[in-house]
Amino acid sequence: AQSVTQPDIHITVSEGASLELRCNYSYGATPYLFWYVQSPGQGLQLLLKYFSGDTLVQGIKGFEAEFKRSQSSFNLRKPSVHWSDAAEYFCAALPTGTASKLTFGTGTRLQVTL
Amino acid sequence: NAGVMQNPRHLVRRRGQEARLRCSPMKGHSHVYWYRQLPEEGLKFMVYLQKENIIDESGMPKERFSAEFPKEGPSILRIQQVVRGDSAAYFCASFKGGTGSYEQYFGPGTRLTVT
Repeated sequence: AQSVTQPDIHITVSEGASLELRCNYSYGATPYLFWYVQSPGQGLQLLLKYFSGDTLVQGIKGFEAEFKRSQSSFNLRKPSVHWSDAAEYFCAALPTGTASKLTFGTGTRLQVTL
Repeated sequence: NAGVMQNPRHLVRRRGQEARLRCSPMKGHSHVYWYRQLPEEGLKFMVYLQKENIIDESGMPKERFSAEFPKEGPSILRIQQVVRGDSAAYFCASFKGGTGSYEQYFGPGTRLTVT
């Protein structure tokens, strides 16, 4: 079955520190991959996406993600975290070339300490 | 270009009542998806619709839930005879369609509380 796994439920980092959120997928073929951010009580905002090509993807708000086929991973990174980055982060996948349903991971809640 | 709009943002219903959630996709988008987020969980797919057609309803509970996307007007997710377990955030997403564009844009959600 297709699935997306985010192993870390909760992560705390200090403001200014670097961040890496993990995401692994299990699909028959490499899916399209997305990272979304959700602030409390809000909807989801797309941070970045990977369809093909360059495995290092740049997104909004200074985030980037690296696709690693050998590890079935699509980890999200940020060199220096800001207090406003505190939110819930969701990794999601979509079967390639289809207008189909997104499969989401369970999310990682990021807390930023000052 | 307005984003995906959902209303109401918050909805309180007593057990046994009906809940109607509305979603207006982004302008020019003809595909609508509904997802449900239970407390402390990720989003789960419910249903995928195009205008006047249900494309995939594999995530919809078999009873009490229905969805439509009429030719005119918003998409509606309808929950009949609500129970406490229906309390959740319901998100709508829209997608333009056509090759090369697979991004789904999410609305702010409707938070349903069943008392």
